[in-house]
Amino acid sequence: DVKVTQSSRYLVKRTGEKVFLECVQDMDHENMFWYRQDPGLGLRLIYFSYDVKMKEKGDIPEGYSVSREKKERFSLILESASTNQTSMYLCASSLLASSTDTQYFGPGTRLTVL
Amino acid sequence: KQEVTQIPAALSVPEGENLVLNCSFTDSAIYNLQWFRQDPGKGLTSLLLIQSSQREQTSGRLNASLDKSSGRSTLYIAASQPGDSATYLCAAPFSGGYQKVTFGTGTKLQVIP
Repeated sequence: DVKVTQSSRYLVKRTGEKVFLECVQDMDHENMFWYRQDPGLGLRLIYFSYDVKMKEKGDIPEGYSVSREKKERFSLILESASTNQTSMYLCASSLLASSTDTQYFGPGTRLTVL
Repeated sequence: KQEVTQIPAALSVPEGENLVLNCSFTDSAIYNLQWFRQDPGKGLTSLLLIQSSQREQTSGRLNASLDKSSGRSTLYIAASQPGDSATYLCAAPFSGGYQKVTFGTGTKLQVIP
């Protein structure tokens, strides 16, 4: 079974702090994704990576950056956290960059910025 | 940009009933459509993925259909059980791409024993 893990289930940070959310997948997937989920807005794609050191912006990249130094690990970085970044953050992965595959999700990180 | 709509936002049915969840999308040139289940406070679990060349996919009591020409997909759940209670989301790729997807806001299903 594919396993996608996220570094924390719950996180509380203060405004202005730098925040790192980490995601690891164990199935050698090429694609990795970061989403945020908010009530009434659904899931929105923040960033996507199809290979090591490669990234593409999603729908709402502002205020976020990402890093993919190893194939299995994809990090989301909030350079200076703000209260409007309080949300559920979901990481996902899928097998091949060149085809349409099922996305496998991690359990999510609920981030609260005070 | 692809838009994905799910109506109704919530649905409550008695145990044992067959039910249909609806998903509509604006860009019919999609590569695939996926259905997911999400339990409260958890991540998403993939249920079914229908490729653009397919019209339906089945897994156990679940059957998903895809009609690209009308921009619609349905998820049929047979003989519903309380354990089916969850939020069901559909997702279709961004226009012009296939790895980035747009999610609907989901239908929250409650199956009453």
